[in-house]
Amino acid sequence: DVVLTQTPPTLSATIGQSVSISCRSSQSLLDSDGDTYLNWLLQRPGQSPQLLIYSVSNLESGVPNRFSGSGSETDFTLKISGVEAEDLGVYYCMQATHAPWTFGGGTKLELK
Amino acid sequence: QVTLKESGPGMLQPSKTLSLTCSFSGFSLSTSGMVVSWIRQPSGKSLEWLAAIDWDGDKYYNPSLKSRLTVSKDTSNTQVFLKITSVDIADTATYYCARSSGLTVDYWGQGVMVTVSS
Repeated sequence: DVVLTQTPPTLSATIGQSVSISCRSSQSLLDSDGDTYLNWLLQRPGQSPQLLIYSVSNLESGVPNRFSGSGSETDFTLKISGVEAEDLGVYYCMQATHAPWTFGGGTKLELK
Repeated sequence: QVTLKESGPGMLQPSKTLSLTCSFSGFSLSTSGMVVSWIRQPSGKSLEWLAAIDWDGDKYYNPSLKSRLTVSKDTSNTQVFLKITSVDIADTATYYCARSSGLTVDYWGQGVMVTVSS
């Protein structure tokens, strides 16, 4: 199975601060169809996960543009440009290029 | 508006069979490219993809659990089911169903908590 390693496991930020989360894959996530199926999810406390970014860098409809994704092959980054209170929770990367689909261990974003 | 909702027994004993139902609306599972997956999350831990069924009725399983899982759907394409046989304490988790359009999981249900305990 593909292992996704997220760092850091915990991130403390102040409102307005910009932060980045890394997701490294044990295998290339570039699919034979040319797409890279690496997604970013946010799980707020007590809620189910929600999709933020799909295929590395595509913002899901309704997601604020302070969120951005980048990367390729095995190294990926989620950036939040100006954290807001509603951004607190656990962020997960997820890959769907290789079966079975797998998730990173999560990064908890807290207020400093 | 796409919505999914899971239902299940809440609690069951070890060695029993867990039966879960995902009821959804706002999309048709008969539409090409649509997939409904089951994903679980033990309390305080990350997520684990379990199984999926697509618009064509093809089924996909996590190899680590494949021998214990059965995914199916109803003929009206408004519900998807998951059965897990021989449950034990390690199967205690919140179980989610989620829709995929292609390979992007874009909508999640609210989840249903399942506790395995004697």
